[in-house]
Amino acid sequence: GAGVSQSPSNKVTEKGKDVELRCDPISGHTALYWYRQRLGQGLEFLIYFQGNSAPDKSGLPSDRFSAERTGESVSTLTIQRTQQEDSAVYLCASSSDRGWYQPQHFGDGTRLSIL
Amino acid sequence: AQKITQTQPGMFVQEKEAVTLDCTYDTSDPSYGLFWYKQPSSGEMIFLIYQGSYDQQNATEGRYSLNFQKARKSANLVISASQLGDSAMYFCAMREGLGGAQKLVFGQGTRLTINP
Repeated sequence: GAGVSQSPSNKVTEKGKDVELRCDPISGHTALYWYRQRLGQGLEFLIYFQGNSAPDKSGLPSDRFSAERTGESVSTLTIQRTQQEDSAVYLCASSSDRGWYQPQHFGDGTRLSIL
Repeated sequence: AQKITQTQPGMFVQEKEAVTLDCTYDTSDPSYGLFWYKQPSSGEMIFLIYQGSYDQQNATEGRYSLNFQKARKSANLVISASQLGDSAMYFCAMREGLGGAQKLVFGQGTRLTINP
């Protein structure tokens, strides 16, 4: 499909385990963003990548969170030693850099549940 | 301080009526953009409409329009002739600056319910 693809759609894991979430952006989109949405809340920014520039990591809540992106393709968000407060939906978005009015297009998210 | 404030946690509207969802924002950057997204119960985020800080006219997109009052720092979403399928969470979001990629700051959302 032509949209942002995220996997897995659901992840249930035990506290203390590491998890890796994947995002495949829309082809040609140079910017990629990760957000977190806790139940009943708005989205919280985590990190974004723009081309070959250094990523903006200002939203990462702790050093247990990290993300990587290879070129302008797939990104992975890794959460180490998961805690129950990490339970949330993790949303990935991508956008074109052809104008600052370009909207971010979101994937369907990964619902993460920490037992 | 909250950058985006949505003061209506929930709204109930009769089908075919117009509805206004409130959004106020706080920024000192003269260059910014305001976005509205719809999130149905299925969870996907659907882009609805955009308003730039330098735009002279209010944005419109089909049944959606934005009541942009720059001096009051408000960007309310107006949905005309509401439909049952409009029932969803609605989020107002802002990006600051003209850089190629900028994060969005989201409000807490308004849950809109359209009654038949």
